Amino acid sequence: DAGVIQSPRHEVTEMGQEVTLRCKPISGHNSLFWYRQTMMRGLELLIYFNNNVPIDDSGMPEDRFSAKMPNASFSTLKIQPSEPRDSAVYFCASRIILAAAEQFFGPGTRLTVL
Amino acid sequence: GDSVTQMEGPVTLSEEAFLTINCTYTATGYPSLFWYVQYPGEGLQLLLKATKADDKGSNKGFEATYRKETTSFHLEKGSVQVSDSAVYFCALPPFGTDKLIFGTGTRLQVFP
Repeated sequence: DAGVIQSPRHEVTEMGQEVTLRCKPISGHNSLFWYRQTMMRGLELLIYFNNNVPIDDSGMPEDRFSAKMPNASFSTLKIQPSEPRDSAVYFCASRIILAAAEQFFGPGTRLTVL
Repeated sequence: GDSVTQMEGPVTLSEEAFLTINCTYTATGYPSLFWYVQYPGEGLQLLLKATKADDKGSNKGFEATYRKETTSFHLEKGSVQVSDSAVYFCALPPFGTDKLIFGTGTRLQVFP
């Protein structure tokens, strides 16, 4: 079974450039989460969607970050313009909306902003 | 608000030693509790969970019991292996939400 798919796996870009991270959740899952992980701040929830609708975006750092989920099988996280402090591993996770259902994580995208 | 507190790491053990990683929580009601594990270079994956008080979750030799009296969900393993070296996260869903809040993670290093 295919798990959560993220692309690219690694991204190196220069400050000021636009970055788009992509996620394909597990088929049949109707809840999707974007996380950021750094040594300094640990694992942070940025935003999550239920049935393609954003439910909680309180973790989005600032207006430079935006996320969309145009359909049940695809989501993007965009950073524009990118800054060196955005360097981190970004994870996407999905689950079924059901009590005690686990989240399944993708392998992550390692972003480096020079 | 709801929160999770984990012991600081790293925890360094020799192979076959006994492991305990402490996790305590503050929560509204009695949420499900989770342990996730992150191996180097990978995403998190569910290790075990417990859905109500006194439940014991278990998987791959790891166990954790949901203790509402002490608001704890400590992770234990009787004999660790080098392959258990990873970061372990305790987590719970805040009341009325579908998200999870994670502890800061505890790094386990097991040496032969």
